[in-house]
Amino acid sequence: AQTVTQSQPEMSVQEAETVTLSCTYDTSESDYYLFWYKQPPSRQMILVIRQEAYKQQNATENRFSVNFQKAAKSFSLKISDSQLGDAAMYFCAYRSLNTGNQFYFGTGTSLTVIP
Amino acid sequence: EAGVAQSPRYKIIEKRQSVAFWCNPISGHATLYWYQQILGQGPKLLIQFQNNGVVDDSQLPKDRFSAERLKGVDSTLKIQPAKLEDSAVYLCASSLYNLAGRTGEQFFGPGTRLTVL
Repeated sequence: AQTVTQSQPEMSVQEAETVTLSCTYDTSESDYYLFWYKQPPSRQMILVIRQEAYKQQNATENRFSVNFQKAAKSFSLKISDSQLGDAAMYFCAYRSLNTGNQFYFGTGTSLTVIP
Repeated sequence: EAGVAQSPRYKIIEKRQSVAFWCNPISGHATLYWYQQILGQGPKLLIQFQNNGVVDDSQLPKDRFSAERLKGVDSTLKIQPAKLEDSAVYLCASSLYNLAGRTGEQFFGPGTRLTVL
């Protein structure tokens, strides 16, 4: 089974600054999806950004961007101009495109934004 | 578009009691997932349905957990009997499935917070 590792249990950033959350994964597949999900204290998980493995270009969504390094199996999330509303748990997720299209989640990184 | 609905939002029970959770996915989403999220951890997949068939239930403790999706739409997850370690948030999610076998992201419900005393 694929594994997803988030080595930073907690991170903090000053408001308006930039922060990078790390994620690595282990797989033998060549095609898959990667996601970053955000889970605010209200606990509803929402999608932040997604990346198809076959695309070399890094995904960007407004202040959120990823650094996808396929050979290194690394998928980090960069949050620019951090806002108080960015404070949440962030989960990296891997989606297999083989049988079952299963999702695998990391253990999460708790992001604190300091005013 | 309505999101994934779950009920109840909160449930407190004594150990050895039974409990059931309900999930209604986004209309048209063929794939439905149940996750268990223990405080401070990432979601762990319990069971995945494709329409009304089970795709993966390898991490479902089948001696006490059961789930069904009889008509391929809404689903129920049951725990009988509950143990203290079942205290967690139970998340339901759904996603589209297309003929190419590629599906999009999952959409999550608000979750049910279960406390077992």
